[in-house]
Amino acid sequence: QLQLQESGPGLVKPSETLSLTCTVSGDSISSSNYHWGWIRQPPGKGLEWIGSIHYSGITYYDPSLKSRFTMSVDTSKNQFSLKLSSVTAADTAVYYCARRTAYLYFDYWGQGALVTVSS
Amino acid sequence: QSALTQPPSASGSPGQSVTISCTGTSSDLGIYNYVSWYQHHPGKAPKLMIYEVSRRPSGVPGRFSGSKSGNTASLTVSGLQGEDEADYYCSSYAGSNNFVFGTGTKVTVL
Repeated sequence: QLQLQESGPGLVKPSETLSLTCTVSGDSISSSNYHWGWIRQPPGKGLEWIGSIHYSGITYYDPSLKSRFTMSVDTSKNQFSLKLSSVTAADTAVYYCARRTAYLYFDYWGQGALVTVSS
Repeated sequence: QSALTQPPSASGSPGQSVTISCTGTSSDLGIYNYVSWYQHHPGKAPKLMIYEVSRRPSGVPGRFSGSKSGNTASLTVSGLQGEDEADYYCSSYAGSNNFVFGTGTKVTVL
């Protein structure tokens, strides 16, 4: 059974960089059939797609969020990561990682990691 | 891209049906049949309920069904059960490997 688990600091100071990692277990992240995505949910709001990465390193970002986000993949650790620079309180959210299939839906999700931006 | 529009809430008594709408545009939901629906119990991982407008993954009860007409997709839950009380989100492919999610609907079982 595929499992995804987000990890990272729960508290980040304004203007700093948020770093999250998603560890995949139960399957290889190096399958060409899948992309690995990040979605976030600010408090009291809906889900917001951030972007996705293929094991080859190809990345896709939401056009409106692209400039501050960076995704990477580490196939040796079966992990992929998200960095968000210059965070503000508006970046406070639960961040989810998920697997995106070739048929353009997200079939497995992590439980989410709450990241709070506060001094 | 703007979020897909969903009603904030929907409700029904056990055994009844509830339908949730999801409205997009001619740039996303209106031209792609890659609409998916997710059930989210707070604090848990979202769960895929419907993909490609109306397909159900293995293990999802048959009382969940999806459809689409024009720029609006719908999720219907028939024979409501207590465990169906959750937040539901639609999602659509928006081209160029981009996706957009809905605003979310809280379903309450009365």
